[in-house]
Amino acid sequence: DQQVKQNSPSLSVQEGRISILNCDYTNSMFDYFLWYKKYPAEGPTFLISISSIKDKNEDGRFTVFLNKSAKHLSLHIVPSQPGDSAVYFCAASDSGSNYKLTFGKGTLLTVNP
Amino acid sequence: DAGVTQSPTHLIKTRGQQVTLRCSPISGHKSVSWYQQVLGQGPQFIFQYYEKEERGRGNFPDRFSARQFPNYSSELNVNALLLGDSALYLCASSLAPTGTGTEAFFGQGTRLTVV
Repeated sequence: DQQVKQNSPSLSVQEGRISILNCDYTNSMFDYFLWYKKYPAEGPTFLISISSIKDKNEDGRFTVFLNKSAKHLSLHIVPSQPGDSAVYFCAASDSGSNYKLTFGKGTLLTVNP
Repeated sequence: DAGVTQSPTHLIKTRGQQVTLRCSPISGHKSVSWYQQVLGQGPQFIFQYYEKEERGRGNFPDRFSARQFPNYSSELNVNALLLGDSALYLCASSLAPTGTGTEAFFGQGTRLTVV
């Protein structure tokens, strides 16, 4: 039972354009969401997070949008850069549970020069 | 400013053997979590420790155990290794238990291969 789903295994965009990575979840108890970026042979790197009391959080080129009614969140990267090429993981947690982060399977983003 | 450090970075073990993986959290962080990542999947939660107490356990068999020391470093032990235990094992540290609105920061992982 996959509670966090990233339905696009891969995404390819041109440098300078917008990258939009999507994530859906099924557990309505999730109240905190995070995005991580992972390069090969490295651990995941924290990018940005959002609490369920918000619908948008912005940090530089990265913006996360949360639609609680649709149980959907998205990560926007503007403008995309070749160095953004990596696997992006969406993760969620339930503060009333056992504190774990539940991850999606990831989306491989390729930004072409 | 040291991040999360894990050792060893790679190791190869034989089926049936036991392995111990180590993690040092970011200075000041009191929570350590362990995750297993197999190829093509997202990290799967194994354990979380906070202030040296187990605060969460994922759906893994009893062959997996962990502990946290007074200096907040942690060890993950896996007994009676199976081929299916081959994976990247990730340690994450955070100021407070994840799930409380605290970001978790990951180490580079330990790549375990069971042959």
